[in-house]
Amino acid sequence: GENVGLHLPTLSVQEGDNSIINCAYSNSASDYFIWYKQESGKGPQFIIDIRSNMDKRQGQRVTVLLNKTVKHLSLQIAATQPGDSAVYFCAENSEARDDKIIFGKGTRLHILP
Amino acid sequence: NAGVTQTPKFQVLKTGQSMTLQCAQDMNHEYMSWYRQDPGMGLRLIHYSVGAGITDQGEVPNGYNVSRSTTEDFPLRLLSAAPSQTSVYFCASSYRPGLEQYFGPGTRLTVT
Repeated sequence: GENVGLHLPTLSVQEGDNSIINCAYSNSASDYFIWYKQESGKGPQFIIDIRSNMDKRQGQRVTVLLNKTVKHLSLQIAATQPGDSAVYFCAENSEARDDKIIFGKGTRLHILP
Repeated sequence: NAGVTQTPKFQVLKTGQSMTLQCAQDMNHEYMSWYRQDPGMGLRLIHYSVGAGITDQGEVPNGYNVSRSTTEDFPLRLLSAAPSQTSVYFCASSYRPGLEQYFGPGTRLTVT
């Protein structure tokens, strides 16, 4: 929605370059991780997910990497396009803990022409 | 499928007023949740439900009530609105918590 992304970390990337957006999590029991994209004025939209028994998963132009040792998650976007401009959120869930899905604060991706 | 729908899109309340934000989904999803989004705060979970008749608190439940009498509907009630509840509210649903959620378009609420 409007004003989403104020005071958020911003990543500026040249059009055509690859983007890497990072996310740290604190709950070692988390076993499911999701990346969402939120365009201005819209609700978040699912991009890709990964379970804790994997360390890498690829989609169309996107790759998610999971490093459980350091509790770090990253989203890589290949050949960034103007339509990739948005705020990106990681979210996590632990089935063993409860059914809550908790979001990170988000990163704004800005595409330079 | 209409997906996840929310009404209203915009709402202005005075302090102390009550209202209900509506959320409905037509995908037969068991899991539904409410989030609020404030600038620089990301999305914070208010309440969630794993099925009809079952609700539970999220990260920021105070000041909000929910009910889940049917699989399709998950209304969020503000009993006595406060300026701190000015935010954008999103409803989401999924087959179960461990799967991707589908979000509604949001309700922008202003409490004066």
